[in-house]
Amino acid sequence: EAQVTQNPRYLITVTGKKLTVTCSQNMNHEYMSWYRQDPGLGLRQIYYSMNVEVTDKGDVPEGYKVSRKEKRNFPLILESPSPNQTSLYFCASSHRDSRNYGYTFGSGTRLTVV
Amino acid sequence: AQSVTQLGSHVSVSEGALVLLRCNYSSSVPPYLFWYVQYPNQGLQLLLKYTSAATLVKGINGFEAEFKKSETSFHLTKPSAHMSDAAEYFCAVSGKLTFGTGTRLQVTL
Repeated sequence: EAQVTQNPRYLITVTGKKLTVTCSQNMNHEYMSWYRQDPGLGLRQIYYSMNVEVTDKGDVPEGYKVSRKEKRNFPLILESPSPNQTSLYFCASSHRDSRNYGYTFGSGTRLTVV
Repeated sequence: AQSVTQLGSHVSVSEGALVLLRCNYSSSVPPYLFWYVQYPNQGLQLLLKYTSAATLVKGINGFEAEFKKSETSFHLTKPSAHMSDAAEYFCAVSGKLTFGTGTRLQVTL
């Protein structure tokens, strides 16, 4: 089944403790992206990647890191999480010509930082 | 720069009534537009997309949207609401896929 898989689905952590949220897709998509969803703000892009070893900042990159060493994986790293990073996170992927194909989303990771 | 504006963060309709969710876009290039639906505790599911082939786009679950360039709009409609349509709906514009702030649809008996 074609899908984007995120792990974990739920995570509670403490301020300052490094964490990684994994994202993997099995559709050979070139493009991958991370979003955070907050009430009243919709989804905002954190980082995106056009292909392996090519990443760029989205609209809200502060406090986050990403890497794209393999085509299928695009982990989101929080080096020192803070309470304002409590949010619902989504990973998405698409073919290079995303305008025609649309995006496939993962099921989300609900992160709470205390 | 691209952006979308969704008018109304909450919309409530009676079961069987018309659903109209509004979306206006801003884009410096011909836009590709999407509607996504998010059911409680789930991810986003593509409802329909406009990619310049036809201005009236039909999607899943009886939803459709009409692209109106003169009004820079891409409103989502469904003739008759069902209880199962209760969800949050997001309009988005591509290529970077920029989302609106969402509209929560409530369907009452």
